[in-house]
Amino acid sequence: QKEVEQNSGPLSVPEGAIASLNCTYSDRGSQSFFWYRQYSGKSPELIMFIYSNGDKEDGRFTAQLNKASQYVSLLIRDSQPSDSATYLCAVRHGGQGAQKLVFGQGTRLTINP
Amino acid sequence: IAGITQAPTSQILAAGRRMTLRCTQDMRHNAMYWYRQDLGLGLRLIHYSNTAGTTGKGEVPDGYSVSRANTDDFPLTLASAVPSQTSVYFCASSEADNSPLHFGNGTRLTVT
Repeated sequence: QKEVEQNSGPLSVPEGAIASLNCTYSDRGSQSFFWYRQYSGKSPELIMFIYSNGDKEDGRFTAQLNKASQYVSLLIRDSQPSDSATYLCAVRHGGQGAQKLVFGQGTRLTINP
Repeated sequence: IAGITQAPTSQILAAGRRMTLRCTQDMRHNAMYWYRQDLGLGLRLIHYSNTAGTTGKGEVPDGYSVSRANTDDFPLTLASAVPSQTSVYFCASSEADNSPLHFGNGTRLTVT
């Protein structure tokens, strides 16, 4: 079992709809969770991070964390064509050290005008 | 503009040659990382450094070495390049070991 799993997609969503991206992880000791967006040919850029169970909202983005079920999701409201990108979920496992961050393979999202 | 600078942007390298990828950050972040990104395999950690003077091996360290002589610089060296090291290499940094990562623009390396 992969440590961090994402559906690779592609996920197609009409413009203006809600895009829902999901990520599951295997280590129950995981402490912190990150969503990155990566445009084709570019570097990953941080969208949101979440440390506690529940929802965290930032503009059109909402991160949802459920540690009991070991999943974290990202909702994008009012999807725009500029949201078309690959979204990477990253999970930092428990314990100390910079090396504990594990990335999923990413979900490719396409917003259709 | 504060951030991470990687050089070169791209490079074509003959197999067997030595190559150093440069990475410099001006955010005074303690932790720095090198990742490679390959289609279908995602981002994989090569080496990391929690603080200046210390380094550690990540998931795929073989064939690579790093040094961290100061806070700002974290070069990655391929001692004798092989075609399987063809990849996009990203340097990243974080303020602390539980903070979000900030990525450089990447180096696209082709080993022929």
